[in-house]
Amino acid sequence: DGGITQSPKYLFRKEGQNVTLSCEQNLNHDAMYWYRQDPGQGLRLIYYSQIVNDFQKGDIAEGYSVSREKKESFPLTVTSAQKNPTAFYLCASSMGGRKETQYFGPGTRLLVL
Amino acid sequence: QKEVEQDPGPLSVPEGAIVSLNCTYSNSAFQYFMWYRQYSRKGPELLMYTYSSGNKEDGRFTAQVDKSSKYISLFIRDSQPSDSATYLCAMIGGSNYKLTFGKGTLLTVNP
Repeated sequence: DGGITQSPKYLFRKEGQNVTLSCEQNLNHDAMYWYRQDPGQGLRLIYYSQIVNDFQKGDIAEGYSVSREKKESFPLTVTSAQKNPTAFYLCASSMGGRKETQYFGPGTRLLVL
Repeated sequence: QKEVEQDPGPLSVPEGAIVSLNCTYSNSAFQYFMWYRQYSRKGPELLMYTYSSGNKEDGRFTAQVDKSSKYISLFIRDSQPSDSATYLCAMIGGSNYKLTFGKGTLLTVNP
């Protein structure tokens, strides 16, 4: 099956802890994205990567970090500097280029203990 | 003024009704327009993708773009309870790769 997988489905973070969310795609897409979704806020872009070993900050990058060592993988780390991490995190991918449609994974819900 | 405005609803209709969902935007650089459907606690799935002004039909769904008015619509004919979801408009264009989303409209179709 081709698609985007995210794990885990639910993640719990303790105070001061860094946690990493996984995103993998087997669509052979060049570009990958991380969004955060809060109730009433819509989707906000955290980071994006157009090519391996390169990534750019989105609108709300503070408190987050990413890496893009492989084309198919784009993990997101929520650091202890992110003071309000409780949200639904969505990973997406596209062929790249401005007109290409983005396809989304199933999401990870992060909760703070 | 926000780049994309979308009425959050909620919108409740009886089964079989025609549903109209709308977004307005302010950035004239937007060239490509999408509608996503998101079921509760799931990732958004692409429903429609349009480029030019005019209508695009796919089954019970019709996407309409009016670039002169900076207004896009999604029509759902013969709505079904399975259409109950949040509908997100999204658009992209200009010099960056950022997809800009509306906040979503929550639709409930009652049997």
